[in-house]
Amino acid sequence: QSALTQPASVSGSPGQSITISCTGTSSDVGGYNYVSWYQQHPGKAPKLMIYDVSNRPSGVSNRFSGSKSGNTASLTISGLQAEDEADYYCSSYTSSSWVFGGGTKLTVL
Amino acid sequence: QVQLVESGGGVVQPGGSLRLSCAASGFTFSSYGMHWVRQAPGKGLEWVAFIRYDGSNKYYADSVKGRFTISRDNSKNTLYLQMNSLRAEDTAVYYCAKDRDPYGSGAGYWGQGTLVTVSS
Repeated sequence: QSALTQPASVSGSPGQSITISCTGTSSDVGGYNYVSWYQQHPGKAPKLMIYDVSNRPSGVSNRFSGSKSGNTASLTISGLQAEDEADYYCSSYTSSSWVFGGGTKLTVL
Repeated sequence: QVQLVESGGGVVQPGGSLRLSCAASGFTFSSYGMHWVRQAPGKGLEWVAFIRYDGSNKYYADSVKGRFTISRDNSKNTLYLQMNSLRAEDTAVYYCAKDRDPYGSGAGYWGQGTLVTVSS
């Protein structure tokens, strides 16, 4: 149950696009299409943004998109807005358990 | 709307026990798997345990296996986490989360969390 690897931080200016990567192994990210992405603002509970690699729950902006290639999943946020500044976590199913990434702090400049 | 309200957190000494509860409403509780996920102060998320919709299967992180027990009472729409032999490293905010399906595909909606502090 090793954590998935995410960059510690990313930044972008309003209106720009950013991508956060999430690297695992063939036993988790590469082996299942159960990759999720969560947004967490300080002091708040996580919120599901993407599930099953690339699906958006109802109510989540279409500026958020997900994809996967091999053992690496990615979250892309287009048209960055100030309210997107938060921590982002990826998660994957892996053989009767789940694993999270270490989290990425997104700063909107 | 979906509501998950955790309770039972507090301060406990190392080696002690605590039982967390998560009261669910706004959805058919007995139709969904449920997770516990924790977050140590200033740290990232760590998955703790999962239970299927009917309680038939339970899965645990290696870090809590043998010490924590997840359970549910579908008649009371309530999820539980019994935590024994607590250690300082178990200090965290504990969230319950509703899965998107009965058998487990990933956490969807999360509660607001309850803080557990293990300290002498």
